[in-house]
Amino acid sequence: AQSVAQPEDQVNVAEGNPLTVKCTYSVSGNPYLFWYVQYPNRGLQFLLKYITGDNLVKGSYGFEAEFNKSQTSFHLKKPSALVSDSALYFCAVRDARNKLTFGTGTQLKVEL
Amino acid sequence: GAVVSQHPSWVICKSGTSVKIECRSLDFQATTMFWYRQFPKQSLMLMATSNEGSKATYEQGVEKDKFLINHASLTLSTLTVTSAHPEDSSFYICSVDGLGNEQFFGPGTRLTVL
Repeated sequence: AQSVAQPEDQVNVAEGNPLTVKCTYSVSGNPYLFWYVQYPNRGLQFLLKYITGDNLVKGSYGFEAEFNKSQTSFHLKKPSALVSDSALYFCAVRDARNKLTFGTGTQLKVEL
Repeated sequence: GAVVSQHPSWVICKSGTSVKIECRSLDFQATTMFWYRQFPKQSLMLMATSNEGSKATYEQGVEKDKFLINHASLTLSTLTVTSAHPEDSSFYICSVDGLGNEQFFGPGTRLTVL
């Protein structure tokens, strides 16, 4: 069975500093990986995905993620954090039935 | 990406009543939609996969007679929580399968059962 791990419940970063939200995965076969963001009492917004190709994937709002096959990781990054980036971030992996398995989520808090 | 709406955005009902939640794909014909539930400060758990014109596929542990799903058209799927109880209180979110393997999510429906 596939699984996703987000080891940090919360990440705190100062505005303007780079941020990283960690994700590791376990899946048989080639992974389809996704990052979503959720604001309070809202649904999830798609940020970016890795299907194939370049290991560095660029997405919405200046976010990017690096796929590392040897470390089975797909960390989310942004060079300069904004207060408005504060939200709940989910990593997910998709199986052959198109079923998404989500990580437990990481709360990002960006402070002035 | 696809634009997905849900109605209502929140609902409060008495224990024992049934509640219907609608999920609409506004600009995309969706043969497949997904229903999730999310408890406070927890991740999303897939409840079922809704297939247009056929029966939904339920995940293990989800009672199909309690959570009725109907996908009557390419733009509408409904989830009916029958005989709701307080433990059914949750945030219910639907999603649409996009063309590029990603899913697009609705804004969610907050259900509170008294």
